[in-house]
Amino acid sequence: GQQLNQSPQSMFIQEGEDVSMNCTSSSIFNTWLWYKQDPGEGPVLLIALYKAGELTSNGRLTAQFGITRKDSFLNISASIPSDVGIYFCAGLRGNQFYFGTGTSLTVIP
Amino acid sequence: DTAVSQTPKYLVTQMGNDKSIKCEQNLGHDTMYWYKQDSKKFLKIMFSYNNKELIINETVPNRFSPKSPDKAHLNLHINSLELGDSAVYFCASSLLDRNTEAFFGQGTRLTVV
Repeated sequence: GQQLNQSPQSMFIQEGEDVSMNCTSSSIFNTWLWYKQDPGEGPVLLIALYKAGELTSNGRLTAQFGITRKDSFLNISASIPSDVGIYFCAGLRGNQFYFGTGTSLTVIP
Repeated sequence: DTAVSQTPKYLVTQMGNDKSIKCEQNLGHDTMYWYKQDSKKFLKIMFSYNNKELIINETVPNRFSPKSPDKAHLNLHINSLELGDSAVYFCASSLLDRNTEAFFGQGTRLTVV
């Protein structure tokens, strides 16, 4: 199945720094989602985006649905140690979710 | 309270055995999925059921057989387990809609020895 191109693959940042990651595809999607996965757990939904151009925030997280419907980004402001984990983007087309390759985030206190 | 629950969380078994993983959701969703996450953390769709009907069946060995007794349950049975089947398997559910989200279980870590 199709996988979305997600970058960067990994990030090592100092606590308090802002983080930005993005996801691109050659195909359009109706919905973009961002998930976080902690070790030993399943992915947990962070933000859902339903309209091209939509910008949505959830606390320190902000995500945007690209205007072309082929990309999305996630920003995390003022990172804290508990932001550590793997972040996945996902696009919905028809009845199938396509997942990005993941961004592994390490926050150094 | 758990929305999507799967059991067991850990499963260690010998090659050649047959095993099952169970999944249940209490969200009232009509669509359920099985994903496989490999050591590189890629999430790969295996199967999807909508109202007990198979709607997605990616290229998966036919040793893997999903069964959906009702729309709240989707179990995964694996025959003749192989070393390469070792992975984390996630169940998820959603509503079949243009604007929807998938909710995941906590995963089953399968180790074949």
